[in-house]
Amino acid sequence: AQSVTQPDIHITVSEGASLELRCNYSYGATPYLFWYVQSPGQGLQLLLKYFSGDTLVQGIKGFEAEFKRSQSSFNLRKPSVHWSDAAEYFCAVLNAGGTSYGKLTFGQGTILTVHP
Amino acid sequence: DGGITQSPKYLFRKEGQNVTLSCEQNLNHDAMYWYRQDPGQGLRLIYYSQIVNDFQKGDIAEGYSVSREKKESFPLTVTSAQKNPTAFYLCASRTRGYGDTQYFGPGTRLTVL
Repeated sequence: AQSVTQPDIHITVSEGASLELRCNYSYGATPYLFWYVQSPGQGLQLLLKYFSGDTLVQGIKGFEAEFKRSQSSFNLRKPSVHWSDAAEYFCAVLNAGGTSYGKLTFGQGTILTVHP
Repeated sequence: DGGITQSPKYLFRKEGQNVTLSCEQNLNHDAMYWYRQDPGQGLRLIYYSQIVNDFQKGDIAEGYSVSREKKESFPLTVTSAQKNPTAFYLCASRTRGYGDTQYFGPGTRLTVL
């Protein structure tokens, strides 16, 4: 069965510092991977996705993620964090086969706090 | 504007009552999903529907029911059999084919008193 692990429950960074949120996945074939962001009490917004091709994916709000097959990872990065980036971040893998096609399996989320 | 709407934003019910959460989309998406979110547990799939008049159980379907009579609508009923219904509920819909992505509604927070 597919799974996603986000090892860091909570990360705190200073405004202007760089950020890396970790995501490890388990999936039997080439994965389709996503990062979503959620502000408190809101729905999820798609940041970026990886389906194939270039392993470095650019997203909205200055975020990028790198797919590393050898490490089963899809880490999210941002060179300089803004206070408005404080939110919860979710990594997800898509089930791309069989009768369960289209199901997303989510990690448990990483809460990002940004200090001024 | 195209999007997914969920109503109401906040919902309060007494224990033992059934309650129905609304989800509507005007994105012309075929597939729709219901998730439950609890602190520290990420999102867990309750039910999903790939097409009208068809739906499948997700990972935590017990105590929930759904219908899909129209492409635009996928209501979720939280029944009295759900032992711990207080949670944040998110609806999503998805395009089909290569590059498909799930888009989420704003959520409904259900509190059972």
